[in-house]
Amino acid sequence: GAVVSQHPSRVICKSGTSVKIECRSLDFQATTMFWYRQFPKKSLMLMATSNEGSKATYEQGVEKDKFLINHASLTLSTLTVTSAHPEDSSFYICSARGPGGMNSPLHFGNGTRLTVT
Amino acid sequence: AQSVTQPDIHITVSEGASLELRCNYSYGATPYLFWYVQSPGQGLQLLLKYFSGDTLVQGIKGFEAEFKRSQSSFNLRKPSVHWSDAAEYFCAGIKAAGNKLTFGGGTRVLVKP
Repeated sequence: GAVVSQHPSRVICKSGTSVKIECRSLDFQATTMFWYRQFPKKSLMLMATSNEGSKATYEQGVEKDKFLINHASLTLSTLTVTSAHPEDSSFYICSARGPGGMNSPLHFGNGTRLTVT
Repeated sequence: AQSVTQPDIHITVSEGASLELRCNYSYGATPYLFWYVQSPGQGLQLLLKYFSGDTLVQGIKGFEAEFKRSQSSFNLRKPSVHWSDAAEYFCAGIKAAGNKLTFGGGTRVLVKP
């Protein structure tokens, strides 16, 4: 079945540095990928929609310059957290719609736990 | 506005007992509906989905869900829970022509021995 791979699964970085998270669709092409953030004890919040070959669409309240999204190919989207701060510590999850368009469900990566010290 | 609501924040159930998790949706038309499970520190796993047709949907791990239009609900059930079912469960919905998946707040399930 459709698989989405997310890397790394865990990362610890120092405040002020940048961190890149990769999301790959392993056996299908994904023109659209989604990035979510999970706050402690809360549900997932959609951060942005990543479109291959064009700019990402950010949800209200998400800083574009803070969370850089690049969807350079049909199988790879990256999220870069720039100048990370402790409040950016969170669980980030990407997803991609499987083959079959709107009739296929979203497939999720296993998430990346980011800790900023 | 579209929304998905899970009224129960957490539920405790004994191993072997039945489980039902509630989910209510608010959309202009019937959305696509999903149930996901998230184990501690893990990503999300799709349990089942409803697009149209038979309102009783079978999923993995022995779960099923029933779509009830009159109640705007999509409740998840399992006849007999196992200790490994302890996790957080998310109901989610999406407009038929949309890309934005809206999640409920989640229900944490605790399983007592």
